[in-house]
Amino acid sequence: GDSVTQMEGPVTLSEEAFLTINCTYTATGYPSLFWYVQYPGEGLQLLLKATKADDKGSNKGFEATYRKETTSFHLEKGSVQVSDSAVYFCALNPPDNFNKFYFGSGTKLNVKP
Amino acid sequence: KAGVTQTPRYLIKTRGQQVTLSCSPISGHRSVSWYQQTPGQGLQFLFEYFSETQRNKGNFPGRFSGRQFSNSRSEMNVSTLELGDSALYLCASSLPDSPYEQYFGPGTRLTVT
Repeated sequence: GDSVTQMEGPVTLSEEAFLTINCTYTATGYPSLFWYVQYPGEGLQLLLKATKADDKGSNKGFEATYRKETTSFHLEKGSVQVSDSAVYFCALNPPDNFNKFYFGSGTKLNVKP
Repeated sequence: KAGVTQTPRYLIKTRGQQVTLSCSPISGHRSVSWYQQTPGQGLQFLFEYFSETQRNKGNFPGRFSGRQFSNSRSEMNVSTLELGDSALYLCASSLPDSPYEQYFGPGTRLTVT
């Protein structure tokens, strides 16, 4: 079945460090891929998306590239800030499956000043 | 534009009781999805409604049900509450176009004692 696997957290970085959060998926066909972020006490916010192979989603300095050959959608940021501390979720939406999303377990990011 | 709103934000119930949670989508959004978020299971899809019809359903027992009204507002109901139903219940709305970018509400924190 469809599923998403994320790297275990928490991830602790110093401010201005480089961030990578790994995400791999299992799905039939060509799903759409998403990264969501959840700040403490809040709901999830869409961070970026990619809808086809080799697409790169980007937002607020974060990037992720849809790699069909490795079934991956790793999240990267060149220089993290304290305000990036949150939980990050990778998700997929299978084709023709309306709004049924599959989420990874989430990766908590702690950024220290 | 106002975001997705969920009421109540916090709820404490006793085992065996039932509960109804409410979700008002973003104006113009006709699809509403519900998710259960727990530390152990992560985010799990409950069901999705579009134009007052359930279009997709996750793997939850029949105690979990929902409905959508003509103004797109949605409610979910859990009957005969169990301790394991304690969770953050998230509602998300989206336009009917693919890819289905979902916009999440802040959630309702349900505690079952």
